[in-house]
Amino acid sequence: DIVMTQSPDSLAVSLGERATISCKSSQSILYSSNNRNYLGWYQQKPGQPPKLLVYWASTRESGVPDRFSGSGSGTDFTLTISSLQAEDVAVYYCQQYYSTPITFGQGTRLEIK
Amino acid sequence: QVRLQESGPGLVKPSETLSLTCTISGGYIGSYYWSWIRQTPGKGLEWIGFIDYSGNTNHNPSLQSRVTISLDTSKNQFSLILNSVTAADTAIYYCARVRRSSGRPDASDIWGQGTMVTVFS
Repeated sequence: DIVMTQSPDSLAVSLGERATISCKSSQSILYSSNNRNYLGWYQQKPGQPPKLLVYWASTRESGVPDRFSGSGSGTDFTLTISSLQAEDVAVYYCQQYYSTPITFGQGTRLEIK
Repeated sequence: QVRLQESGPGLVKPSETLSLTCTISGGYIGSYYWSWIRQTPGKGLEWIGFIDYSGNTNHNPSLQSRVTISLDTSKNQFSLILNSVTAADTAIYYCARVRRSSGRPDASDIWGQGTMVTVFS
């Protein structure tokens, strides 16, 4: 199984400041045939299901604010929120869908400082 | 707008069978994968498995042979059966739509609201 490890486990950032979450995979999730990283980022608010924010490591899902961006390749990935808003308080997960079993990171809890 | 809704018993007794259905509204089975994922405080998000439009399935080996996922295109539904449940199967169960790209499963773009299942005697 591919192990996904996020850091930090929790993060407190001031409103308007940048938030950065890291995700590392235990093996490369870059599919050489199409040069895509099979990684997604999800946001989960209390009592709600996860919501897809970013796929292929850096492609923003339709309707997601452009303050959310994903980067990285191979085994190291980052989700950045450029200017934290109050509604961004949530738990964020990375997910690899390069191979089955599909696996998720343990989650990063983002709070307002 | 495509929506997914899980349904099924909220309580299951140990050693019995958990059975859930996901109803797809506002869309069709199409060329997607349809998956089940569960969430517990201790283990986080755990992928259970998925089924494609042809009925081909893939499930998490951690659940061994306890899992069956099926598709009913006439009802626009897919289902999960988990046998021989224990307290460790207590979780929120989500169904989700998985995109397909380059013939492979991709991101999960639509999720149901989830249903809490408790294994309790």
